[in-house]
Amino acid sequence: GAVVSQHPSWVICKSGTSVKIECRSLDFQATTMFWYRQFPKQSLMLMATSNEGSKATYEQGVEKDKFLINHASLTLSTLTVTSAHPEDSSFYICSARKGENYSNQPQHFGDGTRLSIL
Amino acid sequence: DAKTTQPNSMESNEEEPVHLPCNHSTISGTDYIHWYRQLPSQGPEYVIHGLTSNVNNRMASLAIAEDRKSSTLILHRATLRDAAVYYCILSPTQGGSEKLVFGKGTKLTVNP
Repeated sequence: GAVVSQHPSWVICKSGTSVKIECRSLDFQATTMFWYRQFPKQSLMLMATSNEGSKATYEQGVEKDKFLINHASLTLSTLTVTSAHPEDSSFYICSARKGENYSNQPQHFGDGTRLSIL
Repeated sequence: DAKTTQPNSMESNEEEPVHLPCNHSTISGTDYIHWYRQLPSQGPEYVIHGLTSNVNNRMASLAIAEDRKSSTLILHRATLRDAAVYYCILSPTQGGSEKLVFGKGTKLTVNP
């Protein structure tokens, strides 16, 4: 089955530091990956769509200069939370879909990264 | 994005069947119906998807209404490990956006 690996699983850091989260598709290539954020007791909210070889597409209200996305290869996308503050503490989840765009394939999700900013 | 409507919560007993409903009255002809579930502190997990015909896999069955305006996810024998939030999401296969829009889902509680 398709596997998406996310690293790290959790991170605690001081306010003002930058944190990088990696999302890898282990056994398939993904031209598009997605980044979500989930606050406690809430649903997943899409932050941005990461496109290999081009700029990410951000959802309304998501600061692109704060949440930097790089889709360096067909198997790796990274999300960097720059100058993180306590309000950025959340559960960050990535996903990827096998196959061509708009394919019938489902999305496969990483296990998420729990970010806590002190 | 076409919306779906699900009950906030449902409860079931272990080893009994569970029917999780989803309404999607504004579905378009090219939208697939996807179901995902999320266990506590984990990323969502794909369960099943379909277009028009009913679908079965090792995890569940998906029953799709003839007019496609509703569907039901069926867990044939619920276990404690099936306790999760279940999301019904429409996924386009042409035009529109490829992104998945998560609603609030249905929180399933399984009683021993």
